Amino acid sequence: GAGVSQSPSNKVTEKGKDVELRCDPISGHTALYWYRQSLGQGLEFLIYFQGNSAPDKSGLPSDRFSAERTGGSVSTLTIQRTQQEDSAVYLCASSLTMVQGVTQYFGPGTRLTVL
Amino acid sequence: QQQVKQSPQSLIVQKGGISIINCAYENTAFDYFPWYQQFPGKGPALLIAIRPDVSEKKEGRFTISFNKSAKQFSLHIMDSQPGDSATYFCAAKEGTYKYIFGTGTRLKVLA
Repeated sequence: GAGVSQSPSNKVTEKGKDVELRCDPISGHTALYWYRQSLGQGLEFLIYFQGNSAPDKSGLPSDRFSAERTGGSVSTLTIQRTQQEDSAVYLCASSLTMVQGVTQYFGPGTRLTVL
Repeated sequence: QQQVKQSPQSLIVQKGGISIINCAYENTAFDYFPWYQQFPGKGPALLIAIRPDVSEKKEGRFTISFNKSAKQFSLHIMDSQPGDSATYFCAAKEGTYKYIFGTGTRLKVLA
């Protein structure tokens, strides 16, 4: 079946604007993760969902970042009042469950550039 | 503070050679250690993974060596091929859901 898809693939925005990034996980996957990948850095964990619930939001960098998941499927990561330091690739991953050893499947990412 | 330290940052290997990437961690609560391979413009893909009760795991040309007492683990790519040229990330799982990633190693295999 189809893998994890993300849209848009690229987003250029002006400082201060709001952006929405979308993730479509693999059908049937209950766990969904958001990561941020900055140039030359590893992946920074942002948030995970089990179903529609996000028990731990502590990875979100600031209160300008929020995420939601509806119907146990699509997730949206919203960044309000974007700053230049928000420029990065935002990756979404899904897995069948959160059980140890279950593979995370990553999408191709959204490259966000804040001018 | 980097919880998972990965080295080297970049690596150039001749075709047929052995590529070795190392990672070190501090948190003994980590309980699962995957390696990911990422090609440009793509998301990371799981390559191989190991649990801390195992010292070595081999899948084809890829081997993880795990040293629990030293809190280190490494990826060995035998008979490296140009198609292996990619960025490799180690990771460690903390608790139920959280993965901590290393900063990545850019591998280039010369033809």
